[in-house]
Amino acid sequence: KAGVTQTPRYLIKTRGQQVTLSCSPISGHRSVSWYQQTPGQGLQFLFEYFSETQRNKGNFPGRFSGRQFSNSRSEMNVSTLELGDSALYLCASSLGVGINTEAFFGQGTRLTVV
Amino acid sequence: DQQVKQNSPSLSVQEGRISILNCDYTNSMFDYFLWYKKYPAEGPTFLISISSIKDKNEDGRFTVFLNKSAKHLSLHIVPSQPGDSAVYFCAASALNGNTGKLIFGQGTTLQVKP
Repeated sequence: KAGVTQTPRYLIKTRGQQVTLSCSPISGHRSVSWYQQTPGQGLQFLFEYFSETQRNKGNFPGRFSGRQFSNSRSEMNVSTLELGDSALYLCASSLGVGINTEAFFGQGTRLTVV
Repeated sequence: DQQVKQNSPSLSVQEGRISILNCDYTNSMFDYFLWYKKYPAEGPTFLISISSIKDKNEDGRFTVFLNKSAKHLSLHIVPSQPGDSAVYFCAASALNGNTGKLIFGQGTTLQVKP
């Protein structure tokens, strides 16, 4: 069974640009969550999508958005990039229903904003 | 407001001995807890989880203990191996784990010396 796939692995963007990151969850998983990891803030929850709907949202500005498609693949978008958006962006997939379902993470996308 | 805390940034143990990683939480709504292992520039790897209805869960060399009254959990690794050297994250969720939203601690770097 294939794991969680994130593309691209590395990205360099300029301040003010926008970026789109992609995540393909494990087959059969309907929940996709996104996290930002920075040295100072650790792993922080961005948002969760389940069955194409945003189910949970973290405390990030509106420049961070996402969506989920009918095949459960998800994208996140960051507009008007700032230097502080440089981070490792991680996607996690889980069944999304039932109790105590573990989340499995992809390798992440390393975004550098210059 | 750090709802999940790992107060020890680092831990060093000798190969073959026990590693004990600790985690405290403040939100009494948390009812599902997970431990992840992470190498640099990779996504976290799920290790073991525990529901709040239990006080212990064991999987091979890994055992997680939960003390709800103290809002404290710990991960025991016995025996420790050099390959266990990584950053360990404690994570918590509410709603019996039926959500992709995980709150992470800041991580503890474990070094196992041969």
